[in-house]
Amino acid sequence: EIVLTQSPATLSLSPGERATLSCRASQTVSTYLAWYQHKPGQAPRLLIYDASTRATGIPARFSGSGSGTDFTLTISSLEPEDFAVYYCQQRSNWPPEYAFGRGTELEIK
Amino acid sequence: QLQLQESGPGLVKPSETLSLTCTVSGGSIGTSSYYWGWIRQPPGKGLEWIGSIYYSGTTYFNPSLKSRVTISVDTSKNQVSLRLRSVTAADTAVYYCARLPLQGPSWYFDLWGRGTLVIVSS
Repeated sequence: EIVLTQSPATLSLSPGERATLSCRASQTVSTYLAWYQHKPGQAPRLLIYDASTRATGIPARFSGSGSGTDFTLTISSLEPEDFAVYYCQQRSNWPPEYAFGRGTELEIK
Repeated sequence: QLQLQESGPGLVKPSETLSLTCTVSGGSIGTSSYYWGWIRQPPGKGLEWIGSIYYSGTTYFNPSLKSRVTISVDTSKNQVSLRLRSVTAADTAVYYCARLPLQGPSWYFDLWGRGTLVIVSS
C-alpha cells in the first residue's frame, strides 16, 4: 500500500505570496499523481494530473512538478480564492486503485 | 454542464447497510468515455477511495473495503449506487461521487459532486 505524506499540514501565507506544497510517496508512483483543491461545502476540483499537467480551466499560477516519490504543487502568486485544502492523490498503474494524502490547509496569514 | 448529485439517508444505524445514489445530470452515464467512482472523507480525516464502476458493470474496489461494498450502475436512471454493509461509527463520513475519464486526465477524478454526510449512530 502506497502512503502519501503531505507537508506542511498547515501553511499560512498572504495574498501575492508564493505557496509550495509537498507530497511524498512511500514508494515510487512514477508520475501518476494528481492535486486537488477543496473548499468547505464544495466539490473538490482537479488542478494537476500526471504530476505536471494542468486540468482544463486551471489558471497558470498553479504548477506541479516531480516524479518518483517527491512532488510539489506551486502557486506562484496567491489569490484570495486560493485559500483552501489541497490533496495529492496517486493512482496505481493497473488495476486502477487510488490513495490520497491527508491534505495541506492553505490559510490566510 | 454535467453535474453529479449524491443522495441518501443521512443517518444509518450500526450493523445496517448504507445506501447512496449518485445522479448524473447534463450527460449520459452510459458512455464508454468514463468510469464513475465513490470517495469518502471521515470528519477531520483525509479522502479515501471506495471503488469505481464502468457503465458495463466492471468494478474496482479499495481492498480494505471490498468485502463490504457493492457499486452498481443504472443507465436508464443515469445513476450510480453505493451499498456499504455492516457499518460502524468508523464509516461516518462525507461521501462523494466523481467521474473518471478514460482520456485527457485519464483515470483521475475530474468532476465531483458536493458530497453527502452520512452519520452512523444508534
